[in-house]
Amino acid sequence: DAGITQSPRYKITETGRQVTLMCHQTWSHSYMFWYRQDLGHGLRLIYYSAAADITDKGEVPDGYVVSRSKTENFPLTLESATRSQTSVYFCASSEFRDSNQPQHFGDGTRLSIL
Amino acid sequence: TQLLEQSPQFLSIQEGENLTVYCNSSSVFSSLQWYRQEPGEGPVLLVTVVTGGEVKKLKRLTFQFGDARKDSSLHITAAQTGDTGLYLCAGAGSGGGADGLTFGKGTHLIIQP
Repeated sequence: DAGITQSPRYKITETGRQVTLMCHQTWSHSYMFWYRQDLGHGLRLIYYSAAADITDKGEVPDGYVVSRSKTENFPLTLESATRSQTSVYFCASSEFRDSNQPQHFGDGTRLSIL
Repeated sequence: TQLLEQSPQFLSIQEGENLTVYCNSSSVFSSLQWYRQEPGEGPVLLVTVVTGGEVKKLKRLTFQFGDARKDSSLHITAAQTGDTGLYLCAGAGSGGGADGLTFGKGTHLIIQP
């Protein structure tokens, strides 16, 4: 089925560990985004990508790394996880034929750092 | 940094009542999008408003974009239990959202039977 899928849906890890969250979309959308959602903060942009091999920082990029070698995939890596990175992470994609297009979200990854 | 203040943060009303959710900013946005999010799922787009003063209706939901494109409102008429959920407003900057959206903190809406 066409759509955007995130994996894993749930992850528990320890501080200092490296963890990678996967995001895959089947629409061939140019733009992809990573957000984190926390109580009291809402959704905040971590990184975004306009196309393969083009990525840029969002509002809260520290401690995260992204790559985009293929249009359909946009993995997010926490190089050395900290407790403050416990959150729900959402990946989104959008096709910008013109501006103000909607973003299509995955169902999120709930990440707990112990 | 653009900020969106969304209010109220929590709202619990009886079925059949009307309600309004507000989204305000000191910044101008090229568009305002409203999303609805269910537990365990990602946000899903309800509507996009682009032009200052624009009003859009989606059944019992009415969305308005302020004349100066700094604020927006969502009005629900005769709320139903199926309207329960988290409502999010999100603003697109001068890039039209290509560099991401700025989200409000959300309104948790509970409609009681």
